[in-house]
Amino acid sequence: SQTIHQWPATLVQPVGSPLSLECTVEGTSNPNLYWYRQAAGRGLQLLFYSVGIGQISSEVPQNLSASRPQDRQFILSSKKLLLSDSGFYLCAWSPPGGGIYIQYFGAGTRLSVL
Amino acid sequence: GQNIDQPTEMTATEGAIVQINCTYQTSGFNGLFWYQQHAGEAPTFLSYNVLDGLEEKGRFSSFLSRSKGYSYLLLKELQMKDSASYLCAVSNQAGTALIFGKGTTLSVSS
Repeated sequence: SQTIHQWPATLVQPVGSPLSLECTVEGTSNPNLYWYRQAAGRGLQLLFYSVGIGQISSEVPQNLSASRPQDRQFILSSKKLLLSDSGFYLCAWSPPGGGIYIQYFGAGTRLSVL
Repeated sequence: GQNIDQPTEMTATEGAIVQINCTYQTSGFNGLFWYQQHAGEAPTFLSYNVLDGLEEKGRFSSFLSRSKGYSYLLLKELQMKDSASYLCAVSNQAGTALIFGKGTTLSVSS
């Protein structure tokens, strides 16, 4: 069966510090991978998605970036965090290929930027 | 533009039936999804509809009308553990992105 791991679970960072969140998927090959952010009182916002190694699509311009160095690894980064970057960050995966793309979520990282 | 609307909050009692509505206006459509999210946790997949009609999975059913841009999630025999946020999401035409509504917070009381 497939599992998705996301860490850390919680993170408190000062404004201006860098960020690196990691997500890995097991039990599948060439998954589609996603990063979402959920701010308080707002819906899930898609930040990035990737259909393969090195292929990243950005949905929302911001000071965040994503990379996919390996097939089942997805990393969310920032060089300098802003207060507005606080939120609940969720990684998700879906099966490759055509058809219905059910997305399965990791446990999430709660980021507080102070 | 893309817009998904759901009621913000709903309340119900144990054993009752509740219907959570979702209306959408999106450019492109490849399915409508419902997720459940307990406070502080990640969303978990409940059901999806691609074609018009009703899909039933145990105590949960989901309905879709593509011509009306409308869906609902029906929860039967409510239990306290059903207290959660319910997220409606629409898949874009390519199936590469889900557009989420803000969610409906359901509170079930005894």
